[in-house]
Amino acid sequence: DGGITQSPKYLFRKEGQNVTLSCEQNLNHDAMYWYRQDPGQGLRLIYYSQIVNDFQKGDIAEGYSVSREKKESFPLTVTSAQKNPTAFYLCASKASGRGESYEQYFGPGTRLTVT
Amino acid sequence: GESVGLHLPTLSVQEGDNSIINCAYSNSASDYFIWYKQESGKGPQFIIDIRSNMDKRQGQRVTVLLNKTVKHLSLQIAATQPGDSAVYFCAENGETSGSRLTFGEGTQLTVNP
Repeated sequence: DGGITQSPKYLFRKEGQNVTLSCEQNLNHDAMYWYRQDPGQGLRLIYYSQIVNDFQKGDIAEGYSVSREKKESFPLTVTSAQKNPTAFYLCASKASGRGESYEQYFGPGTRLTVT
Repeated sequence: GESVGLHLPTLSVQEGDNSIINCAYSNSASDYFIWYKQESGKGPQFIIDIRSNMDKRQGQRVTVLLNKTVKHLSLQIAATQPGDSAVYFCAENGETSGSRLTFGEGTQLTVNP
């Protein structure tokens, strides 16, 4: 059963702690993305990676870090430098190559609450 | 910067009616557009997409219309059902040739029984 998994679904942390959100896909997609969604708002791009061992900053990368050591995995670390980390985080992936589709496939999301 | 926006943040319709959700885009370089549906607490799901060489595309109960002259995109849902209640987002590829999508703010569709 192919898809994108994000874990955990809910995550609670104390202010000042770093936290890593997991994203795994078995769709054999080259590109992966992290978005942040705040209540009643759209999706804002944090980081994306088009290939293993390479990634680019999105529109709101400050306070976040990523790694892409494996094709299947694209973990996101929310650091203590992120001033407003409480949000719903969505991971997505996309196939690439000749005749590529632009459709991004989304995971179920992780709701992070920092107090 | 370039942006994709929606005309109406909320839309309420009666079950069985047709729904029309609108989206304005500003990047004339965009050649791919996509609609997603997001139910509360879940990730967005693909509904339908369209490339700029088309002005209409139909799916099951959904139709997307693209007017490049006025940079306008719409999603029509026929015979709206309670299960259609969700937030709908449009997105465009801008000048990135598909490596990124820029999302609009979303429209909350509520279907009343």
